Amino acid sequence: AQKITQTQPGMFVQEKEAVTLDCTYDTSDPSYGLFWYKQPSSGEMIFLIYQGSYDQQNATEGRYSLNFQKARKSANLVISASQLGDSAMYFCAMRDLYNNNDMRFGAGTRLTVKP
Amino acid sequence: ETGVTQSPTHLIKTRGQQVTLRCSSQSGHNTVSWYQQALGQGPQFIFQYYREEENGRGNFPPRFSGLQFPNYSSELNVNALELDDSALYLCASSFQSGTGSTYGYTFGSGTRLTVV
Repeated sequence: AQKITQTQPGMFVQEKEAVTLDCTYDTSDPSYGLFWYKQPSSGEMIFLIYQGSYDQQNATEGRYSLNFQKARKSANLVISASQLGDSAMYFCAMRDLYNNNDMRFGAGTRLTVKP
Repeated sequence: ETGVTQSPTHLIKTRGQQVTLRCSSQSGHNTVSWYQQALGQGPQFIFQYYREEENGRGNFPPRFSGLQFPNYSSELNVNALELDDSALYLCASSFQSGTGSTYGYTFGSGTRLTVV
């Protein structure tokens, strides 16, 4: 069975600094996708970045990058130049690319950006 | 393009009652997934609808049921509400091709259900 683990319930970062949010996963499927979502207090899950299990390079999207270490089964999110608007819950998620109807989420990390 | 809209945004029900939550999928999307997010936890997969049929189900009892309509919108029905059903219910739409490949999910803002 697939499992996502986020070990940091809460993180603090100073505005304009970089922060890394940890995510480890466990799966026996060879083909899978890893996702990071941001959830502000409004509740909507906002897609940030995607990494496929066969992708050779780490994904990047603007200030977001994903540090993908396949052998260690980790997919950490790096946010550079943090902004006050980055304060939110962040969820790591995984989906088997063949059995694609079930996306599993971690417990989330609450990020607070300090001015 | 319009995003995913859910209604109502908030709802209070009494234990034992029934509730229907609604979701309009993003334009161009044909698949809808429902998730339950209890306070302080990550979302849990309830089920997915594709071509008006259930296309996968998580570990939820039969009193959680759903529908998908020809316009790809969807309903989540919960019978015999229990206190533990209090949660944020999220709907996500996506496009699934004929080969089964699914592209990105777009989530709505959710319906916050409180059972008292």
